[in-house]
Amino acid sequence: QQPVQSPQAVILREGEDAVINCSSSKALYSVHWYRQKHGEAPVFLMILLKGGEQKGHDKISASFNEKKQQSSLYLTASQLSYSGTYFCGTAAGGTSYGKLTFGQGTILTVHP
Amino acid sequence: DTAVSQTPKYLVTQMGNDKSIKCEQNLGHDTMYWYKQDSKKFLKIMFSYNNKELIINETVPNRFSPKSPDKAHLNLHINSLELGDSAVYFCASSPLYHPPSYGYTFGSGTRLTVV
Repeated sequence: QQPVQSPQAVILREGEDAVINCSSSKALYSVHWYRQKHGEAPVFLMILLKGGEQKGHDKISASFNEKKQQSSLYLTASQLSYSGTYFCGTAAGGTSYGKLTFGQGTILTVHP
Repeated sequence: DTAVSQTPKYLVTQMGNDKSIKCEQNLGHDTMYWYKQDSKKFLKIMFSYNNKELIINETVPNRFSPKSPDKAHLNLHINSLELGDSAVYFCASSPLYHPPSYGYTFGSGTRLTVV
C-alpha cells in the first residue's frame, strides 16, 4: 500500500523552511527520501532505518517515528536548488522486505 | 562514467509494436529494478532482480517481460504496445535487496510514447 505524503505542494521564498510528511499504514523497516527535478531521474537524499537515528546533511534532515510509521523531511533555509518533487519511499517488513513503495510526491517550489 | 544508463532515452512507437529498453549499471550492485512513472508522477515498481534472479514481479501485464543476462544488465521487453503503456520507465539499482538499507541509484529514464 502506497504511503501518503503531505502537503501535496509547497511554495516558498528563498531562506524559508519547509516540512514534508510521509505516513504509512504498514510497519516499516526503512524510509527513503528522493528529490526529482523536472525531466530528470529521482536522486537519493537519505535513508532512515528502523531503530536508527535522525539523519541529515547540509540543511536537509529527516526523522522517523517507528511507532506512528511516519517520517518527516525538514528543509531549512531553502535555496532555489531545492525546487523539485520530493518522494518518500517505504520498505515494509515481512514478505515486502525489499520492495520500495513510493508516495505520490510533494512539489516544492522555491522563489527568489 | 554514468552509474546507471538506460537506452533509448526517448521511444515513440505505434500501437501494437514490440519494443525493448536496456539498462546497465557499473556500480557493482546486486539488485536492479524497473519502475514506471505515469503522467501524475506516480512511481510504481514493476520488477526486481537480485543477482539475475527475479524476486519482485508486481501485477504487470504479461506483455512486459524483463530479462537479466547478468547482474549488471536488466532489460525490459514490451509486446503489443498499448496507449496506456505511455510513461517514463526508470531503471534503478541498489547494493542489496535484503535488507533495504541502501538508497537506489536511478537511470535517466526512457520516455515511451505510444501513438
